Amino acid sequence: GQQVKQSSPSLTVQEGGISILNCDYENDMFDYFAWYKKYPDNSPTLLISVRSNVDKREDGRLTVFLNKSGKHFSLHITASQPEDTAVYLCAAGARNSGGSNYKLTFGKGTLLTVTP
Amino acid sequence: NAGVIQTPRHKVTGKGQEATLWCEPISGHSAVFWYRQTIVQGLEFLTYFRNQAPIDDSGMPKERFSAQMPNQSHSTLKIQSTQPQDSAVYLCASSLVQQDTQYFGPGTRLLVL
Repeated sequence: GQQVKQSSPSLTVQEGGISILNCDYENDMFDYFAWYKKYPDNSPTLLISVRSNVDKREDGRLTVFLNKSGKHFSLHITASQPEDTAVYLCAAGARNSGGSNYKLTFGKGTLLTVTP
Repeated sequence: NAGVIQTPRHKVTGKGQEATLWCEPISGHSAVFWYRQTIVQGLEFLTYFRNQAPIDDSGMPKERFSAQMPNQSHSTLKIQSTQPQDSAVYLCASSLVQQDTQYFGPGTRLLVL
């Protein structure tokens, strides 16, 4: 089954509103959670991430919330802008056996459209 | 800094042919990852090198796929006897060892006819 799941393939928000993107995961071993942004025909770029010892992290208009007991994390984008329109991929990671880096498991993405 | 470089950007092969994809990580990055992206499966982990050593290839199909990192400046992903279901965008990412952020290259779009 899908270890990381984005249940909403698309989301439309009006300019100035709050965009809320959700992600659920299954693996208890995940201890790193990230959101990537992807434009068509471009590679994913990291927006924001947290480790499991943190349940919230803010960076400008972006906030990640982590609910470990519910195996759920979300990305909130305040004051959404048309240029925020893109595919947002959530990713979760567990340290590989070597212990140095995270092997990422991605959701299938949510297309966010911000309308003027 | 040129970022992660992947070549070729597009490759078309006939069924049964071999395809070799190249990745040059960001200078100084010792962790290199390969992922595959398809519409059906999304973005899937394939394999990972650290300091040129293979660490985790749990995502690699057991047959026909192999990856190497002969030196710190490039890695290759080789697909033998390509099949139409191998058609995908193959993404390489690099990271500093012990750092979380992975930087992705532009990908190689492989089409197997």
